[in-house]
Amino acid sequence: SAVISQKPSRDICQRGTSLTIQCQVDSQVTMMFWYRQQPGQSLTLIATANQGSEATYESGFVIDKFPISRPNLTFSTLTVSNMSPEDSSIYLCSVGQGAIYEQYFGPGTRLTVT
Amino acid sequence: KNEVEQSPQNLTAQEGEFITINCSYSVGISALHWLQQHPGGGIVSLFMLSSGKKKHGRLIATINIQEKHSSLHITASHPRDSAVYICAVYYNTDKLIFGTGTRLQVFP
Repeated sequence: SAVISQKPSRDICQRGTSLTIQCQVDSQVTMMFWYRQQPGQSLTLIATANQGSEATYESGFVIDKFPISRPNLTFSTLTVSNMSPEDSSIYLCSVGQGAIYEQYFGPGTRLTVT
Repeated sequence: KNEVEQSPQNLTAQEGEFITINCSYSVGISALHWLQQHPGGGIVSLFMLSSGKKKHGRLIATINIQEKHSSLHITASHPRDSAVYICAVYYNTDKLIFGTGTRLQVFP
């Protein structure tokens, strides 16, 4: 299984600022995913990030608000831009590896926007 | 409407009890995940299955394709099992659809 780390683990940010979350994997993976989990809710897919191509965003999420980089097969970043309190959530990175449908999750970044 | 339903939403148990968490989905799937989320937010994948039954330690996961239903069982529960358990399915895509989770608290 893949070992995934995320930075920061948590942060408190002011309205209107931006935060970049990093996701590092201990092995090369093709598919990386970014999820958001709002308080009391289930996970929602923000976008799929494949190396060498533009990220694919889900309905309701746009690149201007959540720009994603995928410079290589072990690393990705998600930026939460122009934050508002509604962006307070846990953001999780996950990767697809091995047999199809296998997916592994990072420890998450707990973001609070004041 | 969430396409993955879990029950119960909340579950309280005494240490040592046998626990069952249920997951139902609406149409045929390719695979199903059981995930564990601790209070810090990180998620651990417990099982991925598409048929039958899997066992790992005190955890057992079963799936009934015809009934579109899966169960996660915990034998001899322990306070360290306290977490949110999430069922997630693949509907023939590479995207997971998540249930809302079952919050389990095990008291000593």
